[in-house]
This record gives sequence, structure tokens and C-alpha cells, in this order.
Amino acid sequence: GAGVSQSPSNKVTEKGKDVELRCDPISGHTALYWYRQSLGQGLEFLIYFQGNSAPDKSGLPSDRFSAERTGGSVSTLTIQRTQQEDSAVYLCASSLGGAVTDTQYFGPGTRLTVL
Amino acid sequence: AQSVSQHNHHVILSEAASLELGCNYSYGGTVNLFWYVQYPGQHLQLLLKYFSGDPLVKGIKGFEAEFIKSKFSFNLRKPSVQWSDTAEYFCAVNAPNDYKLSFGAGTTVTVRA
Repeated sequence: GAGVSQSPSNKVTEKGKDVELRCDPISGHTALYWYRQSLGQGLEFLIYFQGNSAPDKSGLPSDRFSAERTGGSVSTLTIQRTQQEDSAVYLCASSLGGAVTDTQYFGPGTRLTVL
Repeated sequence: AQSVSQHNHHVILSEAASLELGCNYSYGGTVNLFWYVQYPGQHLQLLLKYFSGDPLVKGIKGFEAEFIKSKFSFNLRKPSVQWSDTAEYFCAVNAPNDYKLSFGAGTTVTVRA
């Protein structure tokens, strides 16, 4: 079946511009996560959605970062006024949602480069 | 908050050699433990997970991991590696009431044919 998909796969932007990253979770998965993978920082949690609500936003690094999820499905991560330190691979994952032991299925990621 | 340490940054070995990757975590309570793998050009996928029961967990592709509570460890093993096991391996944990995963820095494994 279809896995988690993310778009775009690569994004190059100039410092100060806004970017939107999209995630399509596995159909029927109620939980959705955003992580960031960068050199020197490893994989960091950003935000978690259960349905359309975000009970845990603790990983968002600044108020330039925001995310939403609509219809219990697609999620968008928005980074405003991008900075060079935002360059990273942004990963989305989804899980069935019922338990913390549920497997998180990861997408291929969006590689963001801020010039 | 949990933290995860993977002590080996890069491991190089020959086919048929045995593999053991270390993972230690710091958290005072019960944790759920995971090993993920990222093959070249592919996305992260789950190898195995542990949350209760038998501390020796078997996963896909011949991998297994042993949870040793007294050592706060969850080491990954494979008795005989293949060239196709070349990948980056990540250990991750979460607390019983916490959905988010905390990942280690990853270990790159290179298997020479």
C-alpha cells in the first residue's frame, strides 16, 4: 500500500523567504509527526498531531515554525523568514495512533537548503 | 526527557562478520525502545521494537536486540552481515506516555564484500 509521501523532495530557498513543506500520511493513520534531521543535531522531534490537534509542539525551534493538519490527513509545516540554520532534511511520520508503541512510518523527507 | 547514546559512529566490517551496535539511554522509568534503519537512498524503516515481555527481540532481516534494564542498554546484533546491510542505524526511545521518539546520533555501517 502507499506509504507516507512528502513534497517537495528538495527545496532551495533564499534566506528570509517563507517555505511550506507537505506531508501525506498513510490513510487511516491518526497520528502524524514532524522531525528534522540535520548535521550535528541528528534527528529531532518537532511536533506531533493527533487528528487535527497538536498536543505536543515542544520541538518547534522558534515561532517562525508552525504546522497544521486538516481533515485528519495532510499536514503542512511552514517556516517563515528562513535562516541558514534551518537547512536540514524534514521528515514526516505517521502511525495508527492508538498507542505510543505503534510503529512510526517515515516518509522520504524534504531536503531544505537555505542560501 | 530521554537521551540516547550510540557510541559507534562508523563501523566497517566484512561480509559474514558479526555485528553489534551499542545503544544506551538515560531515563529513570519504563521506556519503549526501537531500532530504525536507513538504507542508502531510502527512508527510515523499523527493524524492531521492544516495550514489554521477553527482553530478546527479533526483528526483520535477521536482526535482534537485547534489552538490559540494569545497564539501560538496547544493543542491536546480527550474527552474519551481508553487503546489503550497509546502512545507517538509529536507536530511539519514548516514554510510555509520550508519542515522540528521541533518537540517537546514528551509526553508519559499511559492509565490505
